[in-house]
Amino acid sequence: DARVTQTPRHKVTEMGQEVTMRCQPILGHNTVFWYRQTMMQGLELLAYFRNRAPLDDSGMPKDRFSAEMPDATLATLKIQPSEPRDSAVYFCASASPGEVRRQFFGPGTRLTVL
Amino acid sequence: GEDVEQSLFLSVREGDSSVINCTYTDSSSTYLYWYKQEPGAGLQLLTYIFSNMDMKQDQRLTVLLNKKDKHLSLRIADTQTGDSAIYFCAETNSGNTPLVFGKGTRLSVIA
Repeated sequence: DARVTQTPRHKVTEMGQEVTMRCQPILGHNTVFWYRQTMMQGLELLAYFRNRAPLDDSGMPKDRFSAEMPDATLATLKIQPSEPRDSAVYFCASASPGEVRRQFFGPGTRLTVL
Repeated sequence: GEDVEQSLFLSVREGDSSVINCTYTDSSSTYLYWYKQEPGAGLQLLTYIFSNMDMKQDQRLTVLLNKKDKHLSLRIADTQTGDSAIYFCAETNSGNTPLVFGKGTRLSVIA
């Protein structure tokens, strides 16, 4: 049963610390999305990649957030320095070129910045 | 930009039907989705409909699309307590591009 995996599932950190979240897309999926969920804003897109190339990262605060795909099996989202307003659940999703109608979501990383 | 609107809460009695409504603004929407999120969990794709369809039925779920009014609904027949969750409407003009989500409707099922 192929799934998107995310680590860590929970992260508590102090303001100013670096946070790295990882996502392993489903094998063979070539499009990877990062979404953020908060009570106030709901679900919003941060960035997405196709064939490891960034296509849109306009939803990310550029001064502190960065997203990369070091290889086809790993996507990372980094926050440096973290701030309390970054507290949210971060979801990764992936989509296959042959199954364009469906995006599969990971379980999310719940981030709390104190 | 695109916008997707949903009512925030819905409460129904167990065994009744639930209808969750959604409106969207993007006239080029091609795929419309319903996702379910249970507490502390990720999003689970329930069903989707292509914009050239009016209706799609899948067991207890019925999706109705009124493209003229840009209105989408999800009907859950014989609602059970296990259906209690947040339901998100989402749209995209291609299944391989980012989804635009509504803020979610919290469905509470009363036993």
